[in-house]
Amino acid sequence: GQQLNQSPQSMFIQEGEDVSMNCTSSSIFNTWLWYKQDPGEGPVLLIALYKAGELTSNGRLTAQFGITRKDSFLNISASIPSDVGIYFCAGQRGGSQGNLIFGKGTKLSVKP
Amino acid sequence: NAGVTQTPKFQVLKTGQSMTLQCAQDMNHEYMSWYRQDPGMGLRLIHYSVGAGITDQGEVPNGYNVSRSTTEDFPLRLLSAAPSQTSVYFCASSIAGTSAYEQYFGPGTRLTVT
Repeated sequence: GQQLNQSPQSMFIQEGEDVSMNCTSSSIFNTWLWYKQDPGEGPVLLIALYKAGELTSNGRLTAQFGITRKDSFLNISASIPSDVGIYFCAGQRGGSQGNLIFGKGTKLSVKP
Repeated sequence: NAGVTQTPKFQVLKTGQSMTLQCAQDMNHEYMSWYRQDPGMGLRLIHYSVGAGITDQGEVPNGYNVSRSTTEDFPLRLLSAAPSQTSVYFCASSIAGTSAYEQYFGPGTRLTVT
């Protein structure tokens, strides 16, 4: 089936560091979304992107919809401890009535 | 608003048993969907509904049934549970149209089939 390749799979952050993660696909998507999931909870929408090239911010988070429509990235600036969790990208193809394809997630943990 | 609610939060079933996972939303959203999440995997779409009386299959529909008799409720039925259905199940909802992709998720039901 359709796949989104999300990287890195996991990373460790130190408070104050900037964080980057990305998502790529072999197919074109019309919409890219980024979600965060805390342990034991459902995913929460962070940012939605609807146009190729679009750059959108939500506080310390910035996400971009790639020009080729086959990729997206998420940046977190000046990370804080509550940023830990699993971040998922999700894409939607045209005509799929809102159905989303999810990446496998990037797990953010605090550096020991 | 309570948002998207799911019950039960945890459930253990024996192989072959049936059960219904409940999902309700109070945001008057037309679009509702069910996903399953397995360790190390993203969420995979099981079934979805674009409005009362309308349902369709997602990526992994086998072994599950759904119905949508009201806008608010979208139950997921396991007809004969199998160990492969051990997973965390999430219900989501959104308004129709372009923003149908901005889905709001419930807290999940953690199901174990022995």
